[in-house]
Amino acid sequence: DVQLLDSGGGLVQPGGSLRLSCVASGFSFHNYAMSWVRQAPGKGLEWVSSVSGSGDGTYYADSVKGRFTISRDNSKNTLFMQMNGLRAEDTGVYYCAKDLTAAGREVFDYWGQGTLITVSS
Amino acid sequence: DIQMTQSPSSLSASVGDRVTITCRASQSISSYLNWYQQKPGKAPKLLIHAASTLQSGVPPRFSGGGSGTEFTLTISGLQPEDFATYFCQHNYIVPPSFGQGTNLEIK
Repeated sequence: DVQLLDSGGGLVQPGGSLRLSCVASGFSFHNYAMSWVRQAPGKGLEWVSSVSGSGDGTYYADSVKGRFTISRDNSKNTLFMQMNGLRAEDTGVYYCAKDLTAAGREVFDYWGQGTLITVSS
Repeated sequence: DIQMTQSPSSLSASVGDRVTITCRASQSISSYLNWYQQKPGKAPKLLIHAASTLQSGVPPRFSGGGSGTEFTLTISGLQPEDFATYFCQHNYIVPPSFGQGTNLEIK
């Protein structure tokens, strides 16, 4: 069975940093693009970033470009998100998500359980 | 960027009802439209991709239609477990984006 276990959230002050991780199992991790999607409290879903299966291609929402860095370690089946310069508006639950197909077209068929980030002083 | 607008934002219905949720894109997205269901405190679940393709394991009472800029999600014969929030999402270009959600409540 496909499983995605995301972790690394917590309370951080504005301007601080966090690193999220998502450990994948049950599929050929290196073959699939992976993404991070977030959800502010009581709000809708917002795509944050995607990375290709090889890790060579990365994509970001304008709201996080220059502050967040997505990466992956295919030898450890793990997806990362380095988050710097955190702002109050970055508060929310962050989900890692797997692409439906190897073509990587941002269709998310499996999701992690989510990790909560709270940016507050 | 492409904006996605869902209607209605909330909907009350009874078990057994047939309901339809609409999603409109700010420009044509062909059939690059997906639907997700989310229950409180849980991650979203993919229901339909490519506008009308039912994801594996999803009951056939869920169906999707449309192309271009207007799309629908129909649930025929609502079951108690269907009361949730539904989101549409385009994957036509980067950035992909989601509708604001439709909260389906029990009448």
